[in-house]
Amino acid sequence: GAVVSQHPSWVICKSGTSVKIECRSLDFQATTMFWYRQFPKQSLMLMATSNEGSKATYEQGVEKDKFLINHASLTLSTLTVTSAHPEDSSFYICSARGLAGESYNEQFFGPGTRLTVL
Amino acid sequence: RKEVEQDPGPFNVPEGATVAFNCTYSNSASQSFFWYRQDCRKEPKLLMSVYSSGNEDGRFTAQLNRASQYISLLIRDSKLSDSATYLCVSEPSGGYNKLIFGAGTRLAVHP
Repeated sequence: GAVVSQHPSWVICKSGTSVKIECRSLDFQATTMFWYRQFPKQSLMLMATSNEGSKATYEQGVEKDKFLINHASLTLSTLTVTSAHPEDSSFYICSARGLAGESYNEQFFGPGTRLTVL
Repeated sequence: RKEVEQDPGPFNVPEGATVAFNCTYSNSASQSFFWYRQDCRKEPKLLMSVYSSGNEDGRFTAQLNRASQYISLLIRDSKLSDSATYLCVSEPSGGYNKLIFGAGTRLAVHP
């Protein structure tokens, strides 16, 4: 099956610093990647949709200047949490949609990145 | 009102039991529906898609009632390994694959 990796798997940082999270599709090309955030005991909330070579589309209420998304290639998207604060502490999960074939409509999820801001 | 609503549970059942989860969605234009399984501190994994005609995959049966905007998941002969959170998911039409997740229903299967 299609594999999506995320790096790092967890990160602890001080308030005010920026954190970059990478999402890679390892064995397929992904035209579209999605970034989600999940707080404890809550549902995954879509933050933004990222298309290769174009600007990300952010969901209502998500600050695009705080959560910078770059999707420079068909296998890599990055999410940078700028000037992180404790309320940004969460589980960030990416998913990737396949380019073609059987996996075209399915989203494959990365293992997630747990961010803790002190 | 949340777009996808689920009973959070937890459902505590013995091995071998049959358990059913329900889910309602508010967007009548939603086209596709799924059940995902999420283990603690892990990413969600697709369990099965849900079709209007109902579909079955081994011990799992999913049903969709578009008139009532209601989705169900039935698990027969529960195993300890079924313990997880089950997420009901809708995909709005024309949404470029956006997935709307419910908060999940927690299942704990005990010996």
